[in-house]
This record gives sequence, structure tokens and C-alpha cells, in this order.
Amino acid sequence: DTGVSQDPRHKITKRGQNVTFRCDPISEHNRLYWYRQTLGQGPEFLTYFQNEAQLEKSRLLSDRFSAERPKGSFSTLEIQRTEQGDSAMYLCASSLQQYTEAFFGQGTRLTVV
Amino acid sequence: QKEVEQNSGPLSVPEGAIASLNCTYSDRGSQSFFWYRQYSGKSPELIMSIYSNGDKEDGRFTAQLNKASQYVSLLIRDSQPSDSATYLCAVTRNTPLVFGKGTRLSVIA
Repeated sequence: DTGVSQDPRHKITKRGQNVTFRCDPISEHNRLYWYRQTLGQGPEFLTYFQNEAQLEKSRLLSDRFSAERPKGSFSTLEIQRTEQGDSAMYLCASSLQQYTEAFFGQGTRLTVV
Repeated sequence: QKEVEQNSGPLSVPEGAIASLNCTYSDRGSQSFFWYRQYSGKSPELIMSIYSNGDKEDGRFTAQLNKASQYVSLLIRDSQPSDSATYLCAVTRNTPLVFGKGTRLSVIA
């Protein structure tokens, strides 16, 4: 069990650039979640997948954000035309089923300068 | 709007004492409840899950759930300095986890 893996761990980008993050869930988990966390706040839900289907997107997820999970395995989160307000920790989690325990990856810390 | 409320702290307890962390939630239909520990700069780590009313014990940790009062708590016995972290309460019904803002715990040696 290698756990949830996220790449990169850190990303510094200039305002206006596009960035893409990758998440590899625990292998047998069919649910994959993306969250965003800023300092002093709890994780805020962005979107989630069951297998390759994107089932829900938060209102936080503007049209600059897109997520995919093409084969029901790894997922990518892309942010286009980054803004300073996008600076945060982006967390990926996976779970085996609905209602069950979700396990987080190490996160990707994004800094937009 | 589904909400999970936690006292942000900091909660300071001496080493060896019991730390008591509390959480209330607004969605009465919530079915699963979790406690995560998060060290500064790190990602959340699952430490306890609880699904039915009552107590659940795991080592030095006890989770308590009261669905009628919409209340979840976490007790940490024999607190250690290494327990100093932010503790996040998370709740779900049939949607992804909703998190509170967390309670910062400081265990003083």
C-alpha cells in the first residue's frame, strides 16, 4: 500500500500561467476527491470522481479549474490563468466507497507570484 | 449550507492530561464522522472514524458521537507533546467530507 501520491509537492508560478497537478489514489479506491486548504481553514471541497465520472463540483471551482480522471485511476487538476488568490495547498484524497474513510496525499502547495 | 463547527483554540493542556476536542454539525442526516490530525505544513492524517452513537476507543484516542445533539468529540488521554497539532472534524451524509476549521492543540511539557 503506497498511499495517495501527489505531484508536484510544491509549485511556484507567475500570475496568469497554467498549472497542472497529479494525484495517484490508493489502487483499489474508486472515489477520488480534490480539496483546497488555506492557512487557518479546514479543507474545502472542490470536486470528486467515482471511477472516471466526475460526480460533483463545488461552486468554488470556477471555470478556470478543470479536473479529469480519464481511466478511473490517476487524476489531474488544472488551473488556467492563475491568480494570487489561487495560492493554497491542494489536497487529493481517495476512499473505497461512499461514507468510508478518506485518506489524503501529501498535498501540492501552490504559490502564485 | 452544511456546516461543521469547531473551536479554533488554541487548546493548551499539560503533558499527561486529557485533551477534549469538540465538534458540532448542522446536517442532521449525517452518517459518518471522522477526526483528522494535521501537523503544521502537512496534510491531514485520519486518526478516528465513528458511525454510530456512543464511544469508540483506539489506544489513547476515544471518539464520542451523539447524533441527537449533533455533537462529536475526541478525547486524547495521556497527552504528549507530539500530539500538538490541529485536529479537524469531518462529517458526511452522502456527499464528500465537510470539514470544520480545526482546533489547534498545544501539549505543554
